[in-house]
Amino acid sequence: EVQLLESGGGLVQPGGSLRLSCAASGFTFSTYAMTWVRQAPGKGLEWASAISDSGDNTYYADSVKGRFTISRDNSKNTLYLQMNGLRAEDTAVYYCARESRYYWGQGTLVTVSS
Amino acid sequence: QAVVTQEPSLTVSPGGTITLTCGSSTGAVTSGHYPHWFQQKPGQAPRTLIYDTSNKHSWTPARFSGSLLGGKAALTLLGAQPEDEAEYYCLLSYSGARPVFGGGTKLTVL
Repeated sequence: EVQLLESGGGLVQPGGSLRLSCAASGFTFSTYAMTWVRQAPGKGLEWASAISDSGDNTYYADSVKGRFTISRDNSKNTLYLQMNGLRAEDTAVYYCARESRYYWGQGTLVTVSS
Repeated sequence: QAVVTQEPSLTVSPGGTITLTCGSSTGAVTSGHYPHWFQQKPGQAPRTLIYDTSNKHSWTPARFSGSLLGGKAALTLLGAQPEDEAEYYCLLSYSGARPVFGGGTKLTVL
């Protein structure tokens, strides 16, 4: 059974940093591209970032480019999202997802507020 | 960036049939956009109902189906149940560009 478990969310001040993790199990992690999707309170889904299976290729939405960094450790079956320069508009639930057939995690809430 | 369009809200009667659509500002939606459909209930994570236009997960109720219809991706619900009341999102992939979610359709079963 495919399982994705996000962690690392919390309350952070504007301009601060946070690193999200997504622990994967139930499939061969190193053979799948992975994605981060976020959802601001009361809003729709927003694609944020993706990474190829090897980690060689990364992609970002314009809204996070230059501030967020996606990475993965295939030896640990874990996906990461390093978020720097956080803004109030980054407040959202962050979901990791496996791109093929789109399996979702349960999400982790990031709140950016002073 | 492309804009993906969904009906903001729809209502269906219990036992009724309804089709939700997903259009693209770039033109007709094709299988090459690998349309996905997601269901999200309040306070829950999204779950995938349909991937790559018409493929179902093991948990997808048989009453849901995906297709291409009139230049759009479509999600058809045949025999709506009260538990189908939810927000539905589509996702389209674009060659050489970032994937884009639609704004969502709030489906009411009433």
